[in-house]
Amino acid sequence: ETGVTQSPTHLIKTRGQQVTLRCSSQSGHNTVSWYQQALGQGPQFIFQYYREEENGRGNFPPRFSGLQFPNYSSELNVNALELDDSALYLCASSHVARGAYEQYFGPGTRLTVT
Amino acid sequence: AQSVTQPDIHITVSEGASLELRCNYSYGATPYLFWYVQSPGQGLQLLLKYFSGDTLVQGIKGFEAEFKRSQSSFNLRKPSVHWSDAAEYFCAVGAPTEYGNKLVFGAGTILRVKS
Repeated sequence: ETGVTQSPTHLIKTRGQQVTLRCSSQSGHNTVSWYQQALGQGPQFIFQYYREEENGRGNFPPRFSGLQFPNYSSELNVNALELDDSALYLCASSHVARGAYEQYFGPGTRLTVT
Repeated sequence: AQSVTQPDIHITVSEGASLELRCNYSYGATPYLFWYVQSPGQGLQLLLKYFSGDTLVQGIKGFEAEFKRSQSSFNLRKPSVHWSDAAEYFCAVGAPTEYGNKLVFGAGTILRVKS
């Protein structure tokens, strides 16, 4: 069984730039969620995708957007980067038949905005 | 709104000693509860979960947790800690969103193990 993978591992961007982070779901999973984890904090929910549609969103501005593809992989896009966007971005996959609460996380992408 | 409180930011225990990490949640219905572990610079690994039934749940790596509805708690325990258990531990509650669901996490407890 293949786990959740994310790319890239690390990324350094400049304020105002745009970034795309990628995630491949665990095999057999059809739902993807993204979380932001700032240093010293717990993960915060950004949004969730199921059937290529966003089906829930946390308290993040519209410059955070996402996609889910037919193979259940996903992208997180962040426009107009701000210094406070520096964080570990975690992708989690789950299966809707189990309520999608049981989520399995990837290793994360560390984004640094300078 | 749903929330999770982990009262202890840091805990230090001696190797071989027992461990209890505290977690309190706020949720109106029967909660789905989780404990995750995170090693430095890594993602989250699911230790155990509670959905319903037996209030004492067993997880991986010798961990267990007990759901106490009357106290709104879901504390994590281990009888004998190993140096490799040093990490950050997160408690989470499942919560609905508009059409899906999410996990709401506590701020985490950093576990240090001294030899």
